[in-house]
Amino acid sequence: AQTVTQSQPEMSVQEAETVTLSCTYDTSESDYYLFWYKQPPSRQMILVIRQEAYKQQNATENRFSVNFQKAAKSFSLKISDSQLGDAAMYFCAYRSASGTGNQFYFGTGTSLTVIP
Amino acid sequence: NAGVTQTPKFQVLKTGQSMTLQCAQDMNHEYMSWYRQDPGMGLRLIHYSVGAGITDQGEVPNGYNVSRSTTEDFPLRLLSAAPSQTSVYFCASSRTSYNEQFFGPGTRLTVL
Repeated sequence: AQTVTQSQPEMSVQEAETVTLSCTYDTSESDYYLFWYKQPPSRQMILVIRQEAYKQQNATENRFSVNFQKAAKSFSLKISDSQLGDAAMYFCAYRSASGTGNQFYFGTGTSLTVIP
Repeated sequence: NAGVTQTPKFQVLKTGQSMTLQCAQDMNHEYMSWYRQDPGMGLRLIHYSVGAGITDQGEVPNGYNVSRSTTEDFPLRLLSAAPSQTSVYFCASSRTSYNEQFFGPGTRLTVL
């Protein structure tokens, strides 16, 4: 089974600054999808960004961007111009592109605090 | 669209009781899943379904049953609740096997 590792249980950032959350994964597959989800105190899981492994270009969504290093099996999330509303738990997730299974593999999460 | 809905939002059970967590989606998604979220462990897959009438086990299926009689609904049954099943439960759906999943608001379950 694939494993997803988030080695930073907690991170903090000053408002308006930039922060990078780390994620590594272990897989023998060549085609897959990677996601970052945000979980604010409301508990709702919200998709932040998605990356297809076959695409070399890093995904970007407004202030959120990823650094996808396929050979290193690394998928970090960069949040620019951090806002108070960015405070949340962030989960990295992996999904295989092969087969018909529905298995998402999640990391254990990084709790992000934004300091005013 | 209501998206993915879950009921109840909170539930307290006694050991040995049974109950069903309800999940419904109105996006005509084929894929649906149940996860449990425990502190320090992220989300773990309990059961999933790739279409009406088709279900399969995930990483932590013991103590839970599912069925998928319609595209919209995917209930999770706890057969005989145990304190180890105290957790937050999320239902999720996606259009295909490679799209992102949409999550419900979660159910916080406490088993005494």
